[in-house]
Amino acid sequence: AVQLVESGGGLVQPKESLKISCAASGFTFSNAAMYWVRQAPGKGLEWVARIRTKPNNYATYYADSVKGRFTISRDDSKSMVYLQMDNLKTEDTAMYYCTADSGGYWGQGVMVTVSS
Amino acid sequence: DIQMTQSPSSLPASLGDRVTITCRASQDIGNYLRWFQQKPGKSPRLMIYGATNLAAGVPSRFSGSRSGSDYSLTISSLESEDMADYYCLQSKESPNTFGAGTKLELK
Repeated sequence: AVQLVESGGGLVQPKESLKISCAASGFTFSNAAMYWVRQAPGKGLEWVARIRTKPNNYATYYADSVKGRFTISRDDSKSMVYLQMDNLKTEDTAMYYCTADSGGYWGQGVMVTVSS
Repeated sequence: DIQMTQSPSSLPASLGDRVTITCRASQDIGNYLRWFQQKPGKSPRLMIYGATNLAAGVPSRFSGSRSGSDYSLTISSLESEDMADYYCLQSKESPNTFGAGTKLELK
């Protein structure tokens, strides 16, 4: 069965950094584009970032709200995808979900809270 | 960026009702449109992909359609387990964009 398991969330102060991870299993990870989607408390879903596969040069794409501050990366040898979040703002507080297959598969989410 | 305008934001309905949720795309997205269901405290679930295709395991009372730049999710006969939030997503261009969501609730 497909599994996506996020980790690394927590409480950080504004302007600090945090890196969250997603461990994938149950499908051919190296063939799959991977995504991060977030949801602020009581709000809707927000697409955050995407990373394509090796044949597509691991191209990355970002929402305007995080461009220049967040970096998505992947390690195909470990079936892992990461989201490095720098210069965090209070408005980045959200549940962060890892997804594959354009939303066909989702993790359980990891909470990131940015507060002083 | 492509904007997805979703309506209504809230939809009170009764069991057995036929309900429809709509998203309008600000630019051509072809059939690169997905619908997701999300229940409280849970991760989203893919319901429809390619605008009209039912995802695996989704009941046949759900259907998707397209008319020009308008995309619709219809539930033919509402059941209690369908009470949830629903979101559309365009995946034609990055950044992908979600609609603002529709809260489906019992009248």
